[in-house]
Amino acid sequence: DVKVTQSSRYLVKRTGEKVFLECVQDMDHENMFWYRQDPGLGLRLIYFSYDVKMKEKGDIPEGYSVSREKKERFSLILESASTNQTSMYLCASSPYPTQGRTEAFFGQGTRLTVV
Amino acid sequence: GQNIDQPTEMTATEGAIVQINCTYQTSGFNGLFWYQQHAGEAPTFLSYNVLDGLEEKGRFSSFLSRSKGYSYLLLKELQMKDSASYLCAVLNRDDKIIFGKGTRLHILP
Repeated sequence: DVKVTQSSRYLVKRTGEKVFLECVQDMDHENMFWYRQDPGLGLRLIYFSYDVKMKEKGDIPEGYSVSREKKERFSLILESASTNQTSMYLCASSPYPTQGRTEAFFGQGTRLTVV
Repeated sequence: GQNIDQPTEMTATEGAIVQINCTYQTSGFNGLFWYQQHAGEAPTFLSYNVLDGLEEKGRFSSFLSRSKGYSYLLLKELQMKDSASYLCAVLNRDDKIIFGKGTRLHILP
């Protein structure tokens, strides 16, 4: 059974704190994604990684950074948390399209509240 | 720019058929996904279309027309458990998966 695991289901942090959201997948997928989901805005791509140490900005990278030191782990970092980063964060992974299966598998999400 | 449009909300009756449309304009196209998301849960994969035409999988079917930048998800014999959000997403030429805002489907008994 495929598995994408996010380190926390719920998180409350203070404004200005550095926040780490961890995501681990056990499917040996090359691609990993971080999205945030807000009411009325849908899922918006923050960052994307297609290999170890490789990353690309998504649509809303401001205020975030990422780290991919190992293939199975993709971390999202909020350098200095702000209240407008209160959201549901979803991690996903997928294989390269040439491998025949392309769908992204999602973690259970982390609901982050910044106070 | 990239744009994926789908209706915000739809309502249908148990046992009926509903069609959820999606139009897209993206930087390249390598396929289109449909996901289902129940409230408070992660999205789960429903279908993937890369060639024109209809793909059927049980009560759910998905259609794609690349020349029109258009897809639809067809749900037959609706059940109460089908009440959820349905997300249309495009795999663009950079391997990024870009989502629309989702369609919230309400099923009435």
